[in-house]
Amino acid sequence: DVKVTQSSRYLVKRTGEKVFLECVQDMDHENMFWYRQDPGLGLRLIYFSYDVKMKEKGDIPEGYSVSREKKERFSLILESASTNQTSMYLCASSSSGSTDTQYFGPGTRLTVL
Amino acid sequence: AQKITQTQPGMFVQEKEAVTLDCTYDTSDPSYGLFWYKQPSSGEMIFLIYQGSYDQQNATEGRYSLNFQKARKSANLVISASQLGDSAMYFCAMRELAGNMLTFGGGTRLMVKP
Repeated sequence: DVKVTQSSRYLVKRTGEKVFLECVQDMDHENMFWYRQDPGLGLRLIYFSYDVKMKEKGDIPEGYSVSREKKERFSLILESASTNQTSMYLCASSSSGSTDTQYFGPGTRLTVL
Repeated sequence: AQKITQTQPGMFVQEKEAVTLDCTYDTSDPSYGLFWYKQPSSGEMIFLIYQGSYDQQNATEGRYSLNFQKARKSANLVISASQLGDSAMYFCAMRELAGNMLTFGGGTRLMVKP
């Protein structure tokens, strides 16, 4: 079974703090993704990576950066957290086939005060 | 313009009955894939079913089937014999051949009544 894990289920941070969200997958997938989910807006892609050290902007990259130093690990970084970044953050991974499914982690609910 | 539209923000269904969750999509890419995910209150996104644009038959996975109408650009999810555990958010998503990215609809909250 594919397993995608995220470092925290719940996180509370203060405005201006630097925040790291970590994601690890154990299926040797090439692709990894970070989404945020907000009520009524569905899932929106922040960044994705198709290989180590490679990254591409998604639909809403502003205010975020990412790091992929190892194939199994993809980190989302909020350089200076703001209240409008309070959200559910979901990580996913997939292999590169055109029909390959994205498998998701359990999510991190981030609250920025 | 929205690429994936789910017009039902919330739906009720009686336990043991079938239910259809609507999804329409918009793409000019001839090759694409359509996915349905379930998200229970725990938050995890669970893959349910996949339909490729060139697949001749509608996809089925246990109690889930996909009513794929290519000309109408719709990919409705049908859940047969609903169970209480089916209460969740359901998301339709599309992946175009050009990229690795999924585009998600806004979701439908399904509530199964005992």
